[in-house]
Amino acid sequence: AQSVTQLDSHVSVSEGTPVLLRCNYSSSYSPSLFWYVQHPNKGLQLLLKYTSAATLVKGINGFEAEFKKSETSFHLTKPSAHMSDAAEYFCVVSVSYNTDKLIFGTGTRLQVFP
Amino acid sequence: GAVVSQHPSRVICKSGTSVKIECRSLDFQATTMFWYRQFPKKSLMLMATSNEGSKATYEQGVEKDKFLINHASLTLSTLTVTSAHPEDSSFYICSAQTRPRNTEAFFGQGTRLTVV
Repeated sequence: AQSVTQLDSHVSVSEGTPVLLRCNYSSSYSPSLFWYVQHPNKGLQLLLKYTSAATLVKGINGFEAEFKKSETSFHLTKPSAHMSDAAEYFCVVSVSYNTDKLIFGTGTRLQVFP
Repeated sequence: GAVVSQHPSRVICKSGTSVKIECRSLDFQATTMFWYRQFPKKSLMLMATSNEGSKATYEQGVEKDKFLINHASLTLSTLTVTSAHPEDSSFYICSAQTRPRNTEAFFGQGTRLTVV
């Protein structure tokens, strides 16, 4: 079965410093992986996705993630945090190759201090 | 990108009543939509897969008689919470995907349900 583990429930950074949100996955096949962001009381917005193309994926708002099969990781990074990045971030894996069902990680709340 | 509209965004209802939440794909056809529930400060839990023209597929532990799903057209799925109780209070989110598979899922803005 597919699953994702977000290693940190809460990350705090200062504005202008790098962001690292960690995600490990478990999958019996080559997975599709996603990062979504959720601002308070809002829906979810896709930041980026990996679907077996380039292992370094660039997303919106300066975020990127690297798929590392040997480490079963898909960590999300950003070189310089902005106040507007404060939100909840979800690492997501598709259930199987031929369905659209998604499994969400438990989420990481990112706080950005001035 | 594609737009999924969810209505209402907030609803308060009395215990024992039923509430209907709509999920519409505005600019694409979605043969499959998904309904999620999000508890406070928790992740999203998949409740059911809504299939156009057929019965929904419910995840283990989700009561199908309590959470009625209807997918009457290629652009509309509805979730009806029947005989609502305070423990049904939650944030409900729908999603739909265009084709091909495993591309981006587009999410509605969510519905905050409060049962009093």
